[in-house]
Amino acid sequence: DADVTQTPRNRITKTGKRIMLECSQTKGHDRMYWYRQDPGLGLRLIYYSFDVKDINKGEISDGYSVSRQAQAKFSLSLESAIPNQTALYFCATSELGTATNTGELFFGEGSRLTVL
Amino acid sequence: GDSVTQMEGPVTLSEEAFLTINCTYTATGYPSLFWYVQYPGEGLQLLLKATKADDKGSNKGFEATYRKETTSFHLEKGSVQVSDSAVYFCALRRTGFQKLVFGTGTRLLVSP
Repeated sequence: DADVTQTPRNRITKTGKRIMLECSQTKGHDRMYWYRQDPGLGLRLIYYSFDVKDINKGEISDGYSVSRQAQAKFSLSLESAIPNQTALYFCATSELGTATNTGELFFGEGSRLTVL
Repeated sequence: GDSVTQMEGPVTLSEEAFLTINCTYTATGYPSLFWYVQYPGEGLQLLLKATKADDKGSNKGFEATYRKETTSFHLEKGSVQVSDSAVYFCALRRTGFQKLVFGTGTRLLVSP
């Protein structure tokens, strides 16, 4: 089984619908992240969480919300989906980056969302 | 702010050709530098990393050297294979910060 699991892997929805993307991990990491990937734009950080009680906005958080239900679970919600939120979404985890640990990210396989 | 610039793709090569994918960065201090690879239909995975100037990261025949004087971390491989076809992302993490900053990715296509 994958260390970082995302569900659903694919979702097609309509404008205005609420969508939740879920992420669970077995790495035991405290830090979890949601990224969005668009062609030509690379990966952009939506939200991140350094522990269960810590939630932070990334560079493109507008239109999104998150919930850290447990150390192992971090979900991303689109309260009212719009077409320009059509993208590939990735969840990732990491340990604390220190002088001796570079804080490598471990990614899920992605959730492809299409908003019509 | 911190940023990473990669050469635009796609890079198209024949099998056994030499590969270079350029990456330059802008950051305060001495960041850690990374190359991630994304194979079709998969998430990103770490390919190699370097944490200080003149460090060379290497893995699976790929190499990159941390060049502080030119703020670069170019990815090289002496002989590419069809299985190397993927999207390659350069990234940095500034010391004391926990977030990675990614480049836009470079798609590599290797033909037999």
